[in-house]
Amino acid sequence: EVQLVESGGGLVPPGGSLRLSCSASGFTFRTYAMNWVRQAPGKGLEWLSYISTGSNTMYYADSVKGRFTISRDDADKSLYLQMYSLRPDDTAVYFCARGAGTLDSWGQGTPVTVSS
Amino acid sequence: EIVMTQSPATLSVSPGERATLSCRASQSVGSNLAWYQHKPGQAPRLLIYAASTRATGIPARFSGSGSGTEFTLTISSLQSEDFAVYYCQQSNNWPPLTFGGGTRVEIK
Repeated sequence: EVQLVESGGGLVPPGGSLRLSCSASGFTFRTYAMNWVRQAPGKGLEWLSYISTGSNTMYYADSVKGRFTISRDDADKSLYLQMYSLRPDDTAVYFCARGAGTLDSWGQGTPVTVSS
Repeated sequence: EIVMTQSPATLSVSPGERATLSCRASQSVGSNLAWYQHKPGQAPRLLIYAASTRATGIPARFSGSGSGTEFTLTISSLQSEDFAVYYCQQSNNWPPLTFGGGTRVEIK
């Protein structure tokens, strides 16, 4: 069974940093592209970032470009999102999702709150 | 960036009735359109990809249609577990991947 489990969320002050992790199991992680998607309170889904197999290609939404960095460790079957210069409007539940275009498996998310 | 617009925002349906959800793209996305179901506190679930192909394990009461800029998700006979928020998403021209604002299907 495919499982994606996010961790690392929490409360952080404006301007702070946080690193999210996504642990994968039940599939050959290194052969799949991965993504981060978020949902702010009362809002819809927003795609944030993509990383290809082999980490050859990364994409970012304009809203996080230059502040967030996606990475992966295939040996550890883990996906990461390093977040810098966090703002109150980054408050959301952050999901990792598998796929290149169509997102066929998702985790349950980890909440991030940016507040003083 | 391709803008996805879903309607209605909220759909009130009685169990056993048919639900029809719409999704419109600001420019053609071909058939590169997916539908997801999301319940509070749970992982979003892929229902339909390539506009009309059901994902693994998705019941036959869910069907997708359309191409270009107009798409529809139909739930033929709503079950209690189908009350949720549904999102469409295009993958024809990305980055960015873009989602519609969602349609909440609630019990009438």
